[in-house]
Amino acid sequence: SAVISQKPSRDICQRGTSLTIQCQVDSQVTMMFWYRQQPGQSLTLIATANQGSEATYESGFVIDKFPISRPNLTFSTLTVSNMSPEDSSIYLCSVEGLRQGATNYGYTFGSGTRLTVV
Amino acid sequence: KQEVTQIPAALSVPEGENLVLNCSFTDSAIYNLQWFRQDPGKGLTSLLLIQSSQREQTSGRLNASLDKSSGRSTLYIAASQPGDSATYLCAPQTGSARQLTFGSGTQLTVLP
Repeated sequence: SAVISQKPSRDICQRGTSLTIQCQVDSQVTMMFWYRQQPGQSLTLIATANQGSEATYESGFVIDKFPISRPNLTFSTLTVSNMSPEDSSIYLCSVEGLRQGATNYGYTFGSGTRLTVV
Repeated sequence: KQEVTQIPAALSVPEGENLVLNCSFTDSAIYNLQWFRQDPGKGLTSLLLIQSSQREQTSGRLNASLDKSSGRSTLYIAASQPGDSATYLCAPQTGSARQLTFGSGTQLTVLP
């Protein structure tokens, strides 16, 4: 299955500032997914990022707040813009594993970025 | 829209017990279903993947079953250990983007 490097692992940011989270995959993948996990909650999909096209955002998430870049097939960034304390969450990137023969490796997740906004 | 429910929300058991975690989902048109564990403040670790054509999958002390038509999956953990303490998440994969939808999880505590 794919290996994902996500950074930073955690950060404490001032309200009103922006943070860019990076996700690097060790193999080429068509789609990358960005999730948010608010304290005590499960994961919610923010957007799907395809290389060469604009990201597709889920209901409740907008590009101005969460701009995403996907410059190539192994890398993506998520920016959390104009942060407020409500943005304090764990942010995770994910990819679907490559299919080899009859094997589907399912989804692999990065280790997450724990963001605290003060 | 896919909705996923996990029962129980929390579970505390003594070491050595066998236990069952339940997951139900509303849209049975799934590609596959994946079980994850999440340790506090960490990312997700994949435990088992069941493809839509399969009825169960096993890995070590873990066994997951899938009844797609009734929208249910079960994760069975044998001989639980304190190291199994974590939140367990069920996530069926649906839709044209093949995206995952997560349940709220079962928080498991195994007492030594």
